[in-house]
Amino acid sequence: DAGVIQSPRHEVTEMGQEVTLRCKPISGHDYLFWYRQTMMRGLELLIYFNNNVPIDDSGMPEDRFSAKMPNASFSTLKIQPSEPRDSAVYFCASSLIGQGKAGELFFGEGSRLTVL
Amino acid sequence: AQRVTQPEKLLSVFKGAPVELKCNYSYSGSPELFWYVQYSRQRLQLLLRHISRESIKGFTADLNKGETSFHLKKPFAQEEDSAMYYCALVDTGRRALTFGSGTRLQVQP
Repeated sequence: DAGVIQSPRHEVTEMGQEVTLRCKPISGHDYLFWYRQTMMRGLELLIYFNNNVPIDDSGMPEDRFSAKMPNASFSTLKIQPSEPRDSAVYFCASSLIGQGKAGELFFGEGSRLTVL
Repeated sequence: AQRVTQPEKLLSVFKGAPVELKCNYSYSGSPELFWYVQYSRQRLQLLLRHISRESIKGFTADLNKGETSFHLKKPFAQEEDSAMYYCALVDTGRRALTFGSGTRLQVQP
């Protein structure tokens, strides 16, 4: 298994543009998480899904952020419109918590977003 | 709400020296605590979890509920231990990890 796959690895865009980040979790995992990493705030949980259903989106900064998981093998995080303060590394992670593995997350390589 | 605190942003030691990366937490229930590590150009990955009570790559961590701490220790640091280390707590109700701000460990030759 190639692990959690994220795309794009790097994205540079201008303020006001729409950004879509993509994630393919490990096959068979039942939880998917989106985290954001910045120097100031560290790793912050944005949203997570269980069996494709959003469970907790309290970490999503504002309405400009949205996330979907249309099926078990794909999730997107969208920012519209983007702002310079959204610049960060966005991580996707998946887990098989249903088998007592709570806390054992498998991370993707991250998508580094720069908003000019 | 749960919180994880790692007071040191950077810890620099010489090869062969003991290492202790500090982690304190606040949580109202029974915590499950973890250490994650990110080596240069690699993914963030699980290093160890407190319920396993195991030693991974020579690292150990003991949960001290009285001091609400989960410090990561290694008796003799190696250069390959240089990495970013994150302490994390899982809220069993939410299933999601709350991370500390991380400590960068530099092991000098």
